[in-house]
Order: sequence, then C-alpha cells, then structure tokens
Amino acid sequence: ELKVEQNPLFLSMQEGKNYTIYCNYSTTSDRLYWYRQDPGKSLESLFVLLSNGAVKQEGRLMASLDTKARLSTLHITAAVHDLSATYFCAVDIKGSQGNLIFGKGTKLSVKP
Amino acid sequence: KAGVTQTPRYLIKTRGQQVTLSCSPISGHRSVSWYQQTPGQGLQFLFEYFSETQRNKGNFPGRFSGRQFSNSRSEMNVSTLELGDSALYLCASSPSGQGLGSPLHFGNGTRLTVT
Repeated sequence: ELKVEQNPLFLSMQEGKNYTIYCNYSTTSDRLYWYRQDPGKSLESLFVLLSNGAVKQEGRLMASLDTKARLSTLHITAAVHDLSATYFCAVDIKGSQGNLIFGKGTKLSVKP
Repeated sequence: KAGVTQTPRYLIKTRGQQVTLSCSPISGHRSVSWYQQTPGQGLQFLFEYFSETQRNKGNFPGRFSGRQFSNSRSEMNVSTLELGDSALYLCASSPSGQGLGSPLHFGNGTRLTVT
C-alpha cells in the first residue's frame, strides 16, 4: 500500500525566514505533485515533478524530487504572509493521474 | 476557460437519506475524479471516471457510487448517509488521466453535513 508522509504537519514561520517541507512516499513512483489549499478553498496545483532530479521554482517556492530516496521537498525562501496555507504533496499510482495518494498536509502560518 | 464546477456548494442531510453531487469538468477534460476531505482522514480518493467508465476506485463502501455522462459531467451518489460521511467532497478533472503528468484541476467542493 502506498503511503505518503509529510513533515512537519504544522509549521509556524516568521516572515523572511527559510524552511523546507518534506514528503516521503513508500513505493516506486515517478510522478509527484504539490498543491496549495487556502482555508475554505479548493486545491490549487503548484508543481508537477515527473522525473528523478526534477526541480521547479515559482516565486519563493522551489520543489524537488529524488525518486531513489522516495523524497520530495518544498523549500520556502524568505517567507511572506501570503504563503500561509496548507500544502499537500501527492503521488499517483496505477499510471493514472486521477488516483492520487495525498499526504496529510502541512499547515503553514507565516507571522510578521 | 471555465474551471471545474461543483453543485451544490453546501448540503445538509439526515442520517439514512441519500445525496447526489454534481461536477462539470473543464471543457475538453475527459477524466473526472472524486475525493473526500475530512480533518481526520485528510484527502481520500473515491473513484475516477474516464469516457463514462470507472477506471479506478478507492477503498470506500458500496454506498458511494458515481457515474459519468457522455459530456464528461459526473455525479456521485451516497446512499444511506452516516454521520461519518460529513465531509468536503472535491471533484477534479484532467485531460486524459494517463501518463501525461498534468495536474488535477479541482472544483470548490460540496460541503456535506449529515445530522
């Protein structure tokens, strides 16, 4: 059974600081996704990582994938309040994008 | 381009009743997936439909069912509602669902409360 574990589950940061969210998964998969969810809202796609060593960056967020270690990281640089949200990683199985296994999510709070 | 549309946004039902939720995917998307989100269990996959066929199914009881129409619109039905079915139900669409690695596009969800 594929398991996806994120840590930390809760993260309180000060503006301007850097931090990394980790996503470990238990079986082989070459596709990993990061989503963001604001309170009361739906999920918004942030990154799609499709191969070992893939790195993608958007603004203050950078995601990477190490398929050998079964690990993805989401790095936050110089956090700002607008980044406060819950971040989910997800791994797909059975070759279908529609069937994702999600981590529990990391609730990020960025304080001034 | 219109996003994924889910109706209704909110529902309150009583135990034992049944409910039908509706989802209209992004135009051109043929894969529709349904997820249940709760504080305790997080996001859990219910099922995926592609071209009117159920392609994958999660670990939910048979009370949860769905279907997809020829225009790719999808409905999910929950019969004999239980208190534990209270959740946010999210629908997501993607172009084809197989191997292309494009992300799912989620709707705003239907908040179901069972009393």
